[in-house]
Amino acid sequence: AQKITQTQPGMFVQEKEAVTLDCTYDTSDPSYGLFWYKQPSSGEMIFLIYQGSYDQQNATEGRYSLNFQKARKSANLVISASQLGDSAMYFCAMREAPTGGGNKLTFGTGTQLKVEL
Amino acid sequence: EPEVTQTPSHQVTQMGQEVILRCVPISNHLYFYWYRQILGQKVEFLVSFYNNEISEKSEIFDDQFSVERPDGSNFTLKIRSTKLEDSAMYFCASADISTDTQYFGPGTRLTVL
Repeated sequence: AQKITQTQPGMFVQEKEAVTLDCTYDTSDPSYGLFWYKQPSSGEMIFLIYQGSYDQQNATEGRYSLNFQKARKSANLVISASQLGDSAMYFCAMREAPTGGGNKLTFGTGTQLKVEL
Repeated sequence: EPEVTQTPSHQVTQMGQEVILRCVPISNHLYFYWYRQILGQKVEFLVSFYNNEISEKSEIFDDQFSVERPDGSNFTLKIRSTKLEDSAMYFCASADISTDTQYFGPGTRLTVL
């Protein structure tokens, strides 16, 4: 079974609108972390936002927020007020086991977001 | 703002040749990683490194791969005898001990001919 599932291979959004990128995960570990990374066409991987499994509140970083629904095992990324520069591939990733252990990230297949005028 | 750097940005090599990919992690980070991304596919974990030894490796990381931290700043990935299927983008990442949020370098695109 896939540990991270991103069901939207491609998404379109109008500039200034909000968009939600879906991510579901599968783990039996009670302690885990969820990450979103942005990969523009230039290829680098840019960290966007982190949510820990024990965090009570949804993470926010500027225009990015993470809609964390633990019971549904979903960690959707919400981008508000989309900008043309948001056009990129977005990856959801999970770290299993507690913080500080140097554990690997498992990535989803990504969602290609295109922001249109 | 501190960042992970990688050299070279693009490496072209002949099948069977050895390549060394270099990374300079963020200076106060203690965990180091290599990932790879075959064109159009998802990012895959290769190896993690802490306290001068491998802490975890994937099944991809076979005997042709090795990692080293030869001095206090560099972290290298060596592929001894490259194969066509090693063509990919290789990312180095580093994390600090408290949050383990991994920050990625810009990647090295390896092309094996």
